[in-house]
Amino acid sequence: EAAVTQSPRNKVTVTGGNVTLSCRQTNSHNYMYWYRQDTGHGLRLIHYSYGAGNLQIGDVPDGYKATRTTQEDFFLLLELASPSQTSLYFCASSPGLGGFNQDTQYFGPGTRLLVL
Amino acid sequence: QQQVRQSPQSLTVWEGETAILNCSYEDSTFDYFPWYHQFPGESPALLIAIRPVSNKKEDGRFTIFFNKREKKFSLHIADSQPGDSATYFCAASWAEGADRLTFGKGTQLIIQP
Repeated sequence: EAAVTQSPRNKVTVTGGNVTLSCRQTNSHNYMYWYRQDTGHGLRLIHYSYGAGNLQIGDVPDGYKATRTTQEDFFLLLELASPSQTSLYFCASSPGLGGFNQDTQYFGPGTRLLVL
Repeated sequence: QQQVRQSPQSLTVWEGETAILNCSYEDSTFDYFPWYHQFPGESPALLIAIRPVSNKKEDGRFTIFFNKREKKFSLHIADSQPGDSATYFCAASWAEGADRLTFGKGTQLIIQP
C-alpha cells in the first residue's frame, strides 16, 4: 500500500500569513499532486510535478506556489494567505508512466487549513 | 468550463438496491475514467477504473458502464450495503498526460438499512 504523509494535519493562520504544507511519499512514485477539496467543488488540482525540480500548473494555481525538492517531497506554499484559501488540502502521488498501476493516485490524509 | 459533470449531487437508496451514479465529459480525447470513493473523515481512494477500449468493467458489486458516443459513464453498485455510504468522485484524464485527473464534483451516496 502506497504511503503518503502530510504535515501539519491542521493549521490556523491569519490573512496575509505565510504557510507551507508538506507532503512526503516513500513509494518511489514519479508524480505528485496538490489538490484542494471544498464542499460543492470536489477535488481541484492546484499544482503537480513529474519529478524533483519539475512543476506543472493545475486548474486553480492562483495564490499558490509549489516546489518539489526531491522525489519524495512536495511542498505547497501560500505566501499571502487569504480566507478564500481555507480548505482541506490533499497531496497525492502516482507511479507514472510504466509504473505498476501507473495511473492510480494515492492520497495522503489531508491538511485542514483555516485562514482567519 | 467544467470538463467532467457528475450527477446526482446526492443519492439515497435502500440496502440491497442498485445505486447508479452518473458522469459525463466534454473532451473526446479523455481516455481513462476512474471512480474514487471517500468515506467520511478519510482521503479519496481508487475504487474502479475503465479505458474506452471496453464499455464495461466489473469488480465484484461495482460496475462501470461506458458510452463513448454519448460521452457518458456510470457506476453501478449492486446489492448496496450501508458500508457503501460515501462520496463518490468520477474523473477523467487524457491519453497524453494520463497522470493528470480532472474530477467531478462528487455524489454523496447514503445507503439506508
